[in-house]
Amino acid sequence: AQTVTQSQPEMSVQEAETVTLSCTYDTSESDYYLFWYKQPPSRQMILVIRQEAYKQQNATENRFSVNFQKAAKSFSLKISDSQLGDAAMYFCAYRPTQGGSEKLVFGKGTKLTVNP
Amino acid sequence: GAVVSQHPSWVICKSGTSVKIECRSLDFQATTMFWYRQFPKQSLMLMATSNEGSKATYEQGVEKDKFLINHASLTLSTLTVTSAHPEDSSFYICSTQRKYEQYFGPGTRLTVT
Repeated sequence: AQTVTQSQPEMSVQEAETVTLSCTYDTSESDYYLFWYKQPPSRQMILVIRQEAYKQQNATENRFSVNFQKAAKSFSLKISDSQLGDAAMYFCAYRPTQGGSEKLVFGKGTKLTVNP
Repeated sequence: GAVVSQHPSWVICKSGTSVKIECRSLDFQATTMFWYRQFPKQSLMLMATSNEGSKATYEQGVEKDKFLINHASLTLSTLTVTSAHPEDSSFYICSTQRKYEQYFGPGTRLTVT
């Protein structure tokens, strides 16, 4: 079974600094999607960034970028120029592209605090 | 993206009563919707996959008779918590699937007294 591990329950960063959140996963599939979701205090889940496993290029969305290491099964999220609004729970998630399952497998989350 | 709404956003009910939560896909027809449960400071736990026009697929350990799911149209799925008890108090979130991404509703906080 696929699993997603986020080894950092909590992280903190100073405003305007850079922080990296870690995520590893376990799968025997060769093709899949990886996601980072943000859940602020409002508890609305927001998609931050998506990575297709077949793409070697790391995904980037403005201040958010990933370091995708397929062989190591690692998918870290880098937040640059951190802002107070980035404070939230961040969940890493995995989804295979084949096999008919559309279910997301979530990690346990990392709580990010941004200090002014 | 996709827009998903949930109603109500917060509900309080007495033990033994049933409560219905609605999940609506506002801008596209969703053949598949998902229902999650989230305890405080924990991750999302998938409860069931809701397919339009057919029976929902429940995850292992989720009581089908307790959590009734109806996906009667391409824009609406409902979750009914039957004979609710305090241990059913939680945050319930639905999502829709569009291509390979899931879009989430704002969630419903259920408190059973």
